[in-house]
Amino acid sequence: QSVLTQPPSVSAAPGQKVTISCSGSTSNIGNNYVSWYRQFPGTAPKLLIYDNNKRPSGIPDRFSGSKSGTSATLGITGLQTGDEADYYCATWESSLSTVIFGGGTKLTVL
Amino acid sequence: QLQLQESGPGLVKPSETLSLTCTVSGGSISSSSYHWGWIRQSPEKGLEWIGTIYYSGTTYYNPSLKSRVTVSVDTSKNQFSLKVTSVTATDTAVYYCARQSTVVVTNWFAPWGQGTLVTVSS
Repeated sequence: QSVLTQPPSVSAAPGQKVTISCSGSTSNIGNNYVSWYRQFPGTAPKLLIYDNNKRPSGIPDRFSGSKSGTSATLGITGLQTGDEADYYCATWESSLSTVIFGGGTKLTVL
Repeated sequence: QLQLQESGPGLVKPSETLSLTCTVSGGSISSSSYHWGWIRQSPEKGLEWIGTIYYSGTTYYNPSLKSRVTVSVDTSKNQFSLKVTSVTATDTAVYYCARQSTVVVTNWFAPWGQGTLVTVSS
């Protein structure tokens, strides 16, 4: 069981907005930056958001990140069927001196 | 465009050493701005950070794996490598290499290699 808690699954209709939460504590999210990744089956994860809310070059502004206290949120607007994938959050865990990942959230676009 | 590619045996016997190499192309592993990391993924443990190296040789390891893991760098070949000793079935996973920002406080991985499945079995 991961130190970072994500909902196992979320779903929404095409064109709608969805948010994926990542809950932690003061020793991880509360005092460190969060990154988000998307992973399609059989492929490597891809960086979507870094430093809580920054998008790498090439990532559309449909994707956004935010952080409040010990929780972070990934938002995706204008959902497309191509957004169906697994999404992971990650951060530094200060008490263990290690990078930690959330358990992942499977997004279904109905 | 920076690309990373993992290579190494796909099958390792229990108690032996797992060895993988990551070849970096399209950029220099000696960049002062980045680190280079290994991450693995299994259905049981999900994504798990293994360790990271800076081109100077400074390393950082996951404390849960530190006693069995060594990450090294060969700047002349633009490669970095992973060794995991005394493997068991629980080390079976897809192993990824990736460029990493920094290690503490802020860290992100991009891009990632395509990954290589390593199975531990006799």
